[in-house]
Amino acid sequence: AQKVTQAQTEISVVEKEDVTLDCVYETRDTTYYLFWYKQPPSGELVFLIRRNSFDEQNEISGRYSWNFQKSTSSFNFTITASQVVDSAVYFCALSEMDNFNKFYFGSGTKLNVKP
Amino acid sequence: EAGVVQSPRYKIIEKKQPVAFWCNPISGHNTLYWYRQNLGQGPELLIRYENEEAVDDSQLPKDRFSAERLKGVDSTLKIQPAELGDSAVYLCASSLEDPESYNSPLHFGNGTRLTVT
Repeated sequence: AQKVTQAQTEISVVEKEDVTLDCVYETRDTTYYLFWYKQPPSGELVFLIRRNSFDEQNEISGRYSWNFQKSTSSFNFTITASQVVDSAVYFCALSEMDNFNKFYFGSGTKLNVKP
Repeated sequence: EAGVVQSPRYKIIEKKQPVAFWCNPISGHNTLYWYRQNLGQGPELLIRYENEEAVDDSQLPKDRFSAERLKGVDSTLKIQPAELGDSAVYLCASSLEDPESYNSPLHFGNGTRLTVT
């Protein structure tokens, strides 16, 4: 079974629109970590955020915000006022405490931001 | 701080030929990972090292893949012989793990795009 599901394969928006990327995870561990990575066309995955399972506070960093809801096993990522430079593939990942340092990645969501 | 360095950036080989990839992690990072990323998919772990010890190689196809991390620093991943299905991007990542900070973020290199013809 997929531990991390990113149901949106590809999303296209026009610049300045807000966009939310969905991530649903599955784990039996009570302690786990969730991550978001950005992969621009250059290929390097860039770390964006890490969240542990005990911290359900939403986080905002500039135009980026993350909504962690344990009740629905979701860790969604919102980009406000999207820009062309946000165009990339975004990956959600899970790491469990019982098997730490083993990362399970979703299949990614390709975001196209058009001018 | 220099990032994770991988080479080559691209490699095209014929099937049955050998190929090797090299990775130099961020200085001081004790944990090193090799991932394979197929087109349109997320990275999948091949092998993880803690210092020079391979602690998770359960997903490494050992009949044709091998890896080493001498002296606990840089690492090489080899495929011999390569098959058509090995075409993918091979990503190296590193992290600094210590008892105070489990599940540290991974820092990735640019990857090696392998095409087997």
